[in-house]
Amino acid sequence: EDQVTQSPEALRLQEGESSSLNCSYTVSGLRGLFWYRQDPGKGPEFLFTLYSAGEEKEKERLKATLTKKESFLHITAPKPEDSATYLCAVQDSGNTPLVFGKGTRLSVIA
Amino acid sequence: ETGVTQSPTHLIKTRGQQVTLRCSSQSGHNTVSWYQQALGQGPQFIFQYYREEENGRGNFPPRFSGLQFPNYSSELNVNALELDDSALYLCASSGSGEQYFGPGTRLTVT
Repeated sequence: EDQVTQSPEALRLQEGESSSLNCSYTVSGLRGLFWYRQDPGKGPEFLFTLYSAGEEKEKERLKATLTKKESFLHITAPKPEDSATYLCAVQDSGNTPLVFGKGTRLSVIA
Repeated sequence: ETGVTQSPTHLIKTRGQQVTLRCSSQSGHNTVSWYQQALGQGPQFIFQYYREEENGRGNFPPRFSGLQFPNYSSELNVNALELDDSALYLCASSGSGEQYFGPGTRLTVT
């Protein structure tokens, strides 16, 4: 059974204080690992897809990396508008459903 | 390009009632997936429709049912509502790649 564990559950940062969020996963055959951002009461917003170990993707202050067992979402010099819950999900081979972690709730304080 | 839309935004129902939630998929997408997200949890897969056929189902009872129409829009129906059905219901559409989520429907069962 595919599993995703995210840590920490919550993270509080000062504006400009860089950090990383972790997503550990077990899957029989990884088709893709996905990162989403979710604001309270809203639907998840797609950020990145990673397909193979060693792959990296960047978008503004965010950079996602992937190994065979985990993924990291690095946040560089965060701003208050980066405050949200960040969700990680994996997809097994084929057009199978996403399996999500519980998310990391990020708060960035000015 | 039109994104994923869902209706209604909010809904309050009484235990035992029935509810129908609606989703319009993103232009060009032929697959719709439905997820249930309880407070503080990651989304949980309910079922998926591909070209009007159910194409996978999560661990949800038969009182959760769905439809997909020729224009790829979709409905989620829940019968005999229970208090634990209170959640954010998310619809995601996909083509051959990433899943893009709608804003969700917040269902409250009293």
